Amino acid sequence: AQSVAQPEDQVNVAEGNPLTVKCTYSVSGNPYLFWYVQYPNRGLQFLLKYITGDNLVKGSYGFEAEFNKSQTSFHLKKPSALVSDSALYFCAVRDVLSGGSYIPTFGRGTSLIVHP
Amino acid sequence: DAMVIQNPRYQVTQFGKPVTLSCSQTLNHNVMYWYQQKSSQAPKLLFHYYDKDFNNEADTPDNFQSRRPNTSFCFLDIRSPGLGDAAMYLCATSLSGQFTDTQYFGPGTRLTVL
Repeated sequence: AQSVAQPEDQVNVAEGNPLTVKCTYSVSGNPYLFWYVQYPNRGLQFLLKYITGDNLVKGSYGFEAEFNKSQTSFHLKKPSALVSDSALYFCAVRDVLSGGSYIPTFGRGTSLIVHP
Repeated sequence: DAMVIQNPRYQVTQFGKPVTLSCSQTLNHNVMYWYQQKSSQAPKLLFHYYDKDFNNEADTPDNFQSRRPNTSFCFLDIRSPGLGDAAMYLCATSLSGQFTDTQYFGPGTRLTVL
């Protein structure tokens, strides 16, 4: 079984400050992890994914995420937030288990608000 | 640019009046998905196609049907919309059934039921 948790409904950060959006996961096998961003009245846009290899993954718009197997986490980070980063962020996981499904499980989303 | 297109972007229908939402893709992906999303919640998978094979989620109401006449197009039919069906409907694609595949989403159709 696979599940993902985004413990914060909302994250507030001042423009120029670093931001972190948290994601933890639970899988039976090995995880493939994804981050998507959704702007108002738009579909989800892919930011980055972890498949294997380097634990630090770099993605679009200056975002990066760190895979931490011992803490079962995949937090999204950006060194300097922009007001335009304000959006809804979704973490998703696939459990790479023999006989498992390729359908991802999404977290409930975290609203990021960047204040000028 | 290759993309996922949804039409219309906004749809208003009356209670009980059938409605069809459409999705097309130029990515030539094998898998197409339909999600329902309410009030900034996580997208909820309704069903998906792997090529022509239809896969229905166990909790998807019978009121929701889908058609995929060819690789490029997929339709969501809501036979008798209720007020609870008002939501954003998202279409997505992925190349195949690989665990590494990224999903590509369309802009969504916001459905209002009067």
